[in-house]
Amino acid sequence: SQTIHQWPATLVQPVGSPLSLECTVEGTSNPNLYWYRQAAGRGLQLLFYSVGIGQISSEVPQNLSASRPQDRQFILSSKKLLLSDSGFYLCAWRLKGSRVNTEAFFGQGTRLTVV
Amino acid sequence: SQQGEEDPQALSIQEGENATMNCSYKTSINNLQWYRQNSGRGLVHLILIRSNEREKHSGRLRVTLDTSKKSSSLLITASRAADTASYFCATVPSSNDYKLSFGAGTTVTVRA
Repeated sequence: SQTIHQWPATLVQPVGSPLSLECTVEGTSNPNLYWYRQAAGRGLQLLFYSVGIGQISSEVPQNLSASRPQDRQFILSSKKLLLSDSGFYLCAWRLKGSRVNTEAFFGQGTRLTVV
Repeated sequence: SQQGEEDPQALSIQEGENATMNCSYKTSINNLQWYRQNSGRGLVHLILIRSNEREKHSGRLRVTLDTSKKSSSLLITASRAADTASYFCATVPSSNDYKLSFGAGTTVTVRA
C-alpha cells in the first residue's frame, strides 16, 4: 500500500533562518506531488506541484522554493524565513497520466512557527 | 488562487441532524472532490464526482454537482459527534489535470 511521510511534525524557526521540509512517498511511482500551506482556520493554498523529477510548477510567488531530486521525494525550502511563512504545510500525492479522476493522499503536515 | 469557495464558513448542528455545505468554483473542471480535515491533521479524501456525473453517494454522504452553475453540495445525513471537522472541496481544472485546488472550507461542529 502507498504511504506518505512528512517531517518534522512541528518546527519553530527564527526569522532569517533557512528551511527544509521533506516529503517522501512509498508504494507508488511517478506520482504528482504537491505542497500546500494552510493559515490558521483557513483553506489550503497550493504552493508548488511537480509532475516529475526536476519539474516544479510554482503557483504563488513567495519566499519559498521546491525541488524534486528523486521520483518520490519532494522538498520545500527557504533561504531566509519570514514571519509570514508561518503556517501548516501539507504534502500530498496523486496518480497521474490518463487517470485524471484520482484523489490526493496527504501527509500529516508540518506546523511551522517563525519567531 | 483558490478555485473553490465553500458556504457556509461554519455550521453547528445537533447530533442526528443533516449538514449541508456548498462549493462554488470558477472554471470548467474534470472532477470535484470533497475532503475532511480533523483539527491539526492532514486531509482525508471523502468522495470524487466527475464532471459528467450529477449525484453520488457514499455511506451517509451525498454529493451533487451542477456544472452549469459551477457548484456542488455535500450532504452528511444523520450526523454524529465524530463528524466534527472541516470540510473542503477541491477541483481539478479541465485545462490542467495536474492541478488540485482547494477552497476555504466549512467547519462543522456536531453537538452531542
